[in-house]
Amino acid sequence: GAGVSQSPSNKVTEKGKDVELRCDPISGHTALYWYRQRLGQGLEFLIYFQGNSAPDKSGLPSDRFSAERTGESVSTLTIQRTQQEDSAVYLCASSSGDPYNSPLHFGNGTRLTVT
Amino acid sequence: DQQVKQNSPSLSVQEGRISILNCDYTNSMFDYFLWYKKYPAEGPTFLISISSIKDKNEDGRFTVFLNKSAKHLSLHIVPSQPGDSAVYFCAASDNYGQNFVFGPGTRLSVLP
Repeated sequence: GAGVSQSPSNKVTEKGKDVELRCDPISGHTALYWYRQRLGQGLEFLIYFQGNSAPDKSGLPSDRFSAERTGESVSTLTIQRTQQEDSAVYLCASSSGDPYNSPLHFGNGTRLTVT
Repeated sequence: DQQVKQNSPSLSVQEGRISILNCDYTNSMFDYFLWYKKYPAEGPTFLISISSIKDKNEDGRFTVFLNKSAKHLSLHIVPSQPGDSAVYFCAASDNYGQNFVFGPGTRLSVLP
């Protein structure tokens, strides 16, 4: 497939457990983003990777959240000791990184429910 | 402190009429603006963009207008179709089009 792929599509976990969300970007896209959308709200920026540069982690809400990216391919977002307020749809997006000519292409998201 | 605002949470329009979705921003450093459409259980889909050197960009039924002095942009959909019913997000970026800030979205309902 040519699009951004995210897995799992749905995840239900108990409070306090760790979860790992995966994103496969479009091949060749150097930039990768994670966003979060809570119920009834807009998209909240979490973290941004561009090539081999240090990631922009300014949107991560707490130190329970971390993300990694292997080169210019797959990324994983890890949430440790999940809390109920972490329940949201987690969206991954990628872009070619060309200034002013590279809209974000989103995956369908992972719906996380913390019980 | 929302840097990108969409003050209308919802909008209803009759099929065939024009839909106008509005967006305001506060950061004068933003220079690249985008509109996305989102259906339930899907990721946002890119619709149209505009850079700050232009004041209008058109793609088929979709036109985006940018008023830099007012820090305002709008998306016009003409004619509106029932399949256009979705949540529309405005987004803006600075830093050479790399960091994207999204508005809260406007839910458009096109009535047959």
